[in-house]
Amino acid sequence: EPEVTQTPSHQVTQMGQEVILRCVPISNHLYFYWYRQILGQKVEFLVSFYNNEISEKSEIFDDQFSVERPDGSNFTLKIRSTKLEDSAMYFCASRSAEKLFFGSGTQLSVL
Amino acid sequence: QKEVEQNSGPLSVPEGAIASLNCTYSDRGSQSFFWYRQYSGKSPELIMSIYSNGDKEDGRFTAQLNKASQYVSLLIRDSQPSDSATYLCAVNMGNSGGYQKVTFGTGTKLQVIP
Repeated sequence: EPEVTQTPSHQVTQMGQEVILRCVPISNHLYFYWYRQILGQKVEFLVSFYNNEISEKSEIFDDQFSVERPDGSNFTLKIRSTKLEDSAMYFCASRSAEKLFFGSGTQLSVL
Repeated sequence: QKEVEQNSGPLSVPEGAIASLNCTYSDRGSQSFFWYRQYSGKSPELIMSIYSNGDKEDGRFTAQLNKASQYVSLLIRDSQPSDSATYLCAVNMGNSGGYQKVTFGTGTKLQVIP
């Protein structure tokens, strides 16, 4: 069964460093998303992406965040200068019809 | 602020009983509603979607929607210990229709006691 793949599964970084989280959405899906979940809190929407551009973003998704689809398969989330409060599980998702399919997540720890 | 509200629980039910999970949402224009299951440390997994008022059944799961009351519920019949997880209510709150932004509630933790 096709699935959304995320790498790495864990990422540890120092505050102020740049990180790139990678995702390979399901191949015939056209809409892509990033969500994050801080430990013990709810799953929060960050950004949706369609046709090589951002279609919607949340207040969390500020200038420190960017997304890109550099080729036909990868979808990346970049955090330019990480903060302690960026520590969370980051989920990539892709959509078929109305249904979101989530990857297994990248646990980001900012020290 | 458009919100989705759930009781965080935990909701404890004995094995074989019916578990009832509830959710309210603030955006009256919302059209699409989802229930996801999330096991600890794992990603959300879609279990039900509902778009029209009334009930929708899928196996042991029944989703109920009342748009006038802005209320969604999930019933799990014959609850099993493997159903123990956090159940997330999610609502499409895209700003231009479609499914551009799905907003999640905080989730209700369900514990099924053997």
